[in-house]
Amino acid sequence: EPEVTQTPSHQVTQMGQEVILRCVPISNHLYFYWYRQILGQKVEFLVSFYNNEISEKSEIFDDQFSVERPDGSNFTLKIRSTKLEDSAMYFCASSELGTGELFFGEGSRLTVL
Amino acid sequence: QKEVEQDPGPLSVPEGAIVSLNCTYSNSAFQYFMWYRQYSRKGPELLMYTYSSGNKEDGRFTAQVDKSSKYISLFIRDSQPSDSATYLCAMSVYNFNKFYFGSGTKLNVKP
Repeated sequence: EPEVTQTPSHQVTQMGQEVILRCVPISNHLYFYWYRQILGQKVEFLVSFYNNEISEKSEIFDDQFSVERPDGSNFTLKIRSTKLEDSAMYFCASSELGTGELFFGEGSRLTVL
Repeated sequence: QKEVEQDPGPLSVPEGAIVSLNCTYSNSAFQYFMWYRQYSRKGPELLMYTYSSGNKEDGRFTAQVDKSSKYISLFIRDSQPSDSATYLCAMSVYNFNKFYFGSGTKLNVKP
């Protein structure tokens, strides 16, 4: 069964360092998303991406965050200068055109020290 | 007012019970409704998806949408210990730019 894959599964970094989280969405999907979940809290929307541009972003997704689809398969989230409060599980998700069914990856756990 | 409200629980039931999980929402533009199951430290797994009012059944799971009351439900029949997880509702308007999630209800099914 097709699935969304994410790497790394866990990354530990020092405050102020840059982090790149990678995702391979399901191959025929055209909508891509990043969500995050701080431990014990709700799943929060960060950004959506369609047709090689950001469709919508939340107030969390400030200038420190960026997304890119560098080739036909990968979708990346970059955090330029990590803060302690960026520690969370980051989920990539994708959706097929027009269906609204959203499929998640297993997540990348980011720990900022 | 939050876009999506969900009782966080925890909800504890004996094995074999019927479970009812609910969400309310405020945005009448929501058209697509989903239920996810999330095990601890794992990604949300899509259980049910619907885009209309009424009921949709899949095995032991039934999703119900009442757009007039802005209320959705997930029923689990013959609940099993393996159903113990956090259940998240999610919804979207027509353009799929953003999915709004409830805070999740933690369910514990006791053997």
